[in-house]
Amino acid sequence: QQQVKQSPQSLIVQKGGISIINCAYENTAFDYFPWYQQFPGKGPALLIAIRPDVSEKKEGRFTISFNKSAKQFSLHIMDSQPGDSATYFCAALNQAGTALIFGKGTTLSVSS
Amino acid sequence: SAVISQKPSRDICQRGTSLTIQCQVDSQVTMMFWYRQQPGQSLTLIATANQGSEATYESGFVIDKFPISRPNLTFSTLTVSNMSPEDSSIYLCSVGESGGRRDEKLFFGSGTQLSVL
Repeated sequence: QQQVKQSPQSLIVQKGGISIINCAYENTAFDYFPWYQQFPGKGPALLIAIRPDVSEKKEGRFTISFNKSAKQFSLHIMDSQPGDSATYFCAALNQAGTALIFGKGTTLSVSS
Repeated sequence: SAVISQKPSRDICQRGTSLTIQCQVDSQVTMMFWYRQQPGQSLTLIATANQGSEATYESGFVIDKFPISRPNLTFSTLTVSNMSPEDSSIYLCSVGESGGRRDEKLFFGSGTQLSVL
């Protein structure tokens, strides 16, 4: 049973454009929502994270938007660059959890 | 941040054989996590390895298939036993930022790309 649903599976964006990746969850016990970035041949690395008490968090070109009532959150990459080409995973963690629950990932390609 | 060394980085194995994956961390941590990343699928937690006790396995994973060792606070191994093509996947070792039970920030090794023929 997949607890975090991520879309789209793949995404192609022009350089300078905005990349948007969406995730939805059902478990209201989740209290921490990170995004991980993975380059080929490497393990995932934490990119940005948010807690449900805020609706938005921004770090540089990366922004998480969080909609608690809809149980959805999204990653926005502004001014997308070819170096952003990677696989992005959303995830969720509940208070009692010992490990993150990951979405299926989105492969982003930024064309130059 | 933790630096995780994982080996082998990739291997091609025959059906029915076993492969042991090693994970070395540059700091002492209580909990180590083993994940599987199948093509087009999410990262799935296989088990949590706590030094000094038996590993805790997630639903769908059993010790006979994925035995884990945790001899000290910086090292762990995962064995994939009696392999079949369905075991072809990337296996990832991970530790949390605090090294404890509930860790919000995970560090991952580069993974082991396993192909079973």
